[in-house]
Amino acid sequence: KAGVTQTPRYLIKTRGQQVTLSCSPISGHRSVSWYQQTPGQGLQFLFEYFSETQRNKGNFPGRFSGRQFSNSRSEMNVSTLELGDSALYLCASSLDWSGDEQFFGPGTRLTVL
Amino acid sequence: DAKTTQPTSMDCAEGRAANLPCNHSTISGNEYVYWYRQIHSQGPQYIIHGLKNNETNEMASLIITEDRKSSTLILPHATLRDTAVYYCIVRLYNTDKLIFGTGTRLQVFP
Repeated sequence: KAGVTQTPRYLIKTRGQQVTLSCSPISGHRSVSWYQQTPGQGLQFLFEYFSETQRNKGNFPGRFSGRQFSNSRSEMNVSTLELGDSALYLCASSLDWSGDEQFFGPGTRLTVL
Repeated sequence: DAKTTQPTSMDCAEGRAANLPCNHSTISGNEYVYWYRQIHSQGPQYIIHGLKNNETNEMASLIITEDRKSSTLILPHATLRDTAVYYCIVRLYNTDKLIFGTGTRLQVFP
């Protein structure tokens, strides 16, 4: 079956703009998590969604938000982009939140100029 | 969330076993040990996880000490394709939240 897909794969924005990234989990998976990866900070947890509800949130400012739809697809939004938001944004899905393995997508590479 | 400590880098000859250590001395009773790896420019890939018993799957073996304060991931016959950053993560069972550390960069050489 198809893996986790993320769109777009690459994105270039300028400071002050906003961006929306999309994640389609593996069919049947109901849990979606988002991570930010940068060379300086490594992989950092952003948020976790299950059945359209945010279960956990990492230590990111309110400019970072997300949501999950009834079909388990998820989006994350970053408003008022800053240069430091340049990163690889990774989405992961699992069947539910009971400790199943998470499957990661290829990521969206965001560059803020 | 319990923190993990891993060596920054390790080398391993192709065909030999790669033993990657992880220290998680503050782990609590309901936290599991997970291992993921990330090959350059790809998303992390799940390897194995365990609570207190040793675990084995087609990719690797996980050895957890009796006091659960440390563990070792074993790749029995390392190949060049196993070159990656390996992350040891302590995770509560009822959440998908993964706290990644800096990981160990494993270089497998011919």
